[in-house]
Amino acid sequence: LAKTTQPISMDSYEGQEVNITCSHNNIATNDYITWYQQFPSQGPRFIIQGYKTKVTNEVASLFIPADRKSSTLSLPRVSLSDTAVYYCLVGGYQKVTFGTGTKLQVIP
Amino acid sequence: DTGVSQNPRHKITKRGQNVTFRCDPISEHNRLYWYRQTLGQGPEFLTYFQNEAQLEKSRLLSDRFSAERPKGSFSTLEIQRTEQGDSAMYLCASSTSRVGWDGYTFGSGTRLTVV
Repeated sequence: LAKTTQPISMDSYEGQEVNITCSHNNIATNDYITWYQQFPSQGPRFIIQGYKTKVTNEVASLFIPADRKSSTLSLPRVSLSDTAVYYCLVGGYQKVTFGTGTKLQVIP
Repeated sequence: DTGVSQNPRHKITKRGQNVTFRCDPISEHNRLYWYRQTLGQGPEFLTYFQNEAQLEKSRLLSDRFSAERPKGSFSTLEIQRTEQGDSAMYLCASSTSRVGWDGYTFGSGTRLTVV
């Protein structure tokens, strides 16, 4: 399984755009890149998924370069409620491995 | 469909007792996964099922742990002779195995505390 590396923590002021980058150098051809959000005492929640180029939904954008060895989750205009741990996962429907995630703290 | 349901939400048990957790996946999802999460760590894979078949088990799943998914619907995870090190959040997730997989849906987890 591809291993992922993310920053351990990030701080951001409310209203700013936040970009969290994940590296996954040994991503396999069939692997998808998926990001999850987790609040304390809750299960992870799906945010966005992509395979290549750019994907956008109502809450985030995901940028994936051509070599797919990294990806960047972009959260536009964060609010206090976006304070959470964000996990970058690489894999498919067999199983995925979570890293330690990035703890995002949004500051008023 | 209200998503993945896990019961109980919390369980406190004495060391040495057996506990069983239940997971009801999204009805059209044929794959079901169990993960364990300790404080400050990401979820660790334990096992997964496709329909009723258990396809993979992690080395984390010692002989005291057993999971079943009869009839390919709900699943149970049993821990026998619990130890304090078993204290964790146990997460269940489900997904499809069709092409164009769209990720897991996780339940809210069962928090186990072994005293």
